[in-house]
Order: sequence, then C-alpha cells, then structure tokens
Amino acid sequence: QQQVKQSPQSLIVQKGGISIINCAYENTAFDYFPWYQQFPGKGPALLIAIRPDVSEKKEGRFTISFNKSAKQFSLHIMDSQPGDSATYFCAASRSNYQLIWGAGTKLIIKP
Amino acid sequence: NAGVTQTPKFQVLKTGQSMTLQCAQDMNHEYMSWYRQDPGMGLRLIHYSVGAGITDQGEVPNGYNVSRSTTEDFPLRLLSAAPSQTSVYFCASSDPGHNSYEQYFGPGTRLTVT
Repeated sequence: QQQVKQSPQSLIVQKGGISIINCAYENTAFDYFPWYQQFPGKGPALLIAIRPDVSEKKEGRFTISFNKSAKQFSLHIMDSQPGDSATYFCAASRSNYQLIWGAGTKLIIKP
Repeated sequence: NAGVTQTPKFQVLKTGQSMTLQCAQDMNHEYMSWYRQDPGMGLRLIHYSVGAGITDQGEVPNGYNVSRSTTEDFPLRLLSAAPSQTSVYFCASSDPGHNSYEQYFGPGTRLTVT
C-alpha cells in the first residue's frame, strides 16, 4: 500500500527556533511532494512543494529538504513565530493528481 | 473568486438518515475531490472527478455517492448515515490543465452522526 509516514505527531518549539517535520514515503514513482498548512476550522492550504529533481527548495522561512535515496523529505521552519502554530501535512503524488497524505503534525510555537 | 465553497458548515444526523454535502468551485477546475479528515489519520480520499460526467472511487468510498453534472458542482451523498461517518469533510479542486498539482480546499463540513 502506498503510504506516507509523518513524524512527529506534535511539536512544541520556542519562538525564534527551528521547527522540523519529517516524512518518509515508499513508492519511488511519486514525483511531487507538497506540504500543506491547516489552521483550526479551515481547510488545508498549500505551503510549499518540491519535485524529486532538486534536493532543496526555500520560500521565505520555509524550506523543504529532499533525500531521494532515503525516500525522505522534511519541512524546516526557520525563526518560528506564534502565527506558524498550525497542523502541517506532508503528501506525495504520482502524476495523477491524487495526493497520499501523512497523518499530520500539530505545531505549537511558544511565545 | 469565491474559490471552493461548501455547505452546510455543521450538520448533525441520526443513524440511517441521508443527506447531501454541497461543494462548488468558480475557478473552472477540472479535478475535484472529497476527503474526510479524522484525528491522527490525515486526509483520506473518498471520491474524485476528473471532469463533468466522470467520477471514480478513492480510498474510502463505501457509504458515499457522488455525481458531477457540471464543472462547478460536486455533491457528496451519504446514503444511510452511520456513526463511523462522523468526521470533517473537505472538498478540493485543482487545475491539471496547467500541470499544477495544487489543490484548493473548501472550509469543510463538520458532520456528527448520532
């Protein structure tokens, strides 16, 4: 079964620190790896995404690191802010627009 | 653009009742999908559609029906509600014509089945 395993389930980080969330996948046919951010009472929204031909993608304080050989990718949030407190989901897709989702990480940034 | 809209926002059903969750998008997206979100399980795909008149099953289709008569609308029907269908339901759309995998989500419907 195609799976995406996400860890940790929850994470508490001090304001200004680095938040790191990890995901691992099994299917080497996946070719698109997005991260979605979800605030309470809202639908998920795309935060940042990467394709397997690059090892890193940075957008502002958010960076995806991708390790194709290990079949792992991670989200790094630099200088974490209280407004970053949300649930983060990783996902993977195999060119058919269907996303396979991780279980989610609840991130709390302490002031 | 309103984006993806869903109604109702909240719903309580009794076991055995049926209902339809509405979803509409005004972005002319071909691809639409329904997910359910349960604690600790991420989002699971129920049904999806790649265009008007075309639907297919996702990971957890049992107990749900869909139809897609127009590009804009993609309703989800619960045939005979069960407590196991208590969940938050999200509708999403995307635009594969521009090689974009980004999915745009509605605000969700919180359903409780008693």
